[in-house]
Amino acid sequence: GQNIDQPTEMTATEGAIVQINCTYQTSGFNGLFWYQQHAGEAPTFLSYNVLDGLEEKGRFSSFLSRSKGYSYLLLKELQMKDSASYLCAVRVLTGGGNKLTFGTGTQLKVEL
Amino acid sequence: DTAVSQTPKYLVTQMGNDKSIKCEQNLGHDTMYWYKQDSKKFLKIMFSYNNKELIINETVPNRFSPKSPDKAHLNLHINSLELGDSAVYFCASSPQSTGIGGYTFGSGTRLTVV
Repeated sequence: GQNIDQPTEMTATEGAIVQINCTYQTSGFNGLFWYQQHAGEAPTFLSYNVLDGLEEKGRFSSFLSRSKGYSYLLLKELQMKDSASYLCAVRVLTGGGNKLTFGTGTQLKVEL
Repeated sequence: DTAVSQTPKYLVTQMGNDKSIKCEQNLGHDTMYWYKQDSKKFLKIMFSYNNKELIINETVPNRFSPKSPDKAHLNLHINSLELGDSAVYFCASSPQSTGIGGYTFGSGTRLTVV
């Protein structure tokens, strides 16, 4: 099975930088995704890592270390609209295809 | 154009009823999924279909029966609804060999069983 851990809640200040960590234990690892979900809305794709290292995409960056089973999402120049839940998800290859398993999400609150 | 659309958006029904949720994707993806998000916001996979064939069934009660008439549609029928079925149900799709972009989710169906 898969075990994915991330903090339940975080609070940060507008304009600051925040790092959301995710650790995972899984077999058949085939990529790690970060999704953003605003209250009452669908999850939307933020970033994807399959190899070790840092992927940068505007204000958002994501890092992966497969040997450590560890990833983080870095959000820079925080804006109020970044207040949302951030979901770490691991893709595994099963006998029939791929499956995306989500962590419980980190609720980020951005304050003035 | 909506990539993954599901209906209805809201569904309120009594215990014991049978209800269906429909999902359609126009992305040309081969694989579709149903996820359940409970009150604690935990998003858990229920089913996965690839080209109309069931490939993942995550120990979901057999009151839940997915049906895929073609690879662009995946519907979910729920029999004898229970209070614990209250949740938001998300449909999603992905290419069979998912690369960058991952899954695309529908806007969700909020099911309330009273």
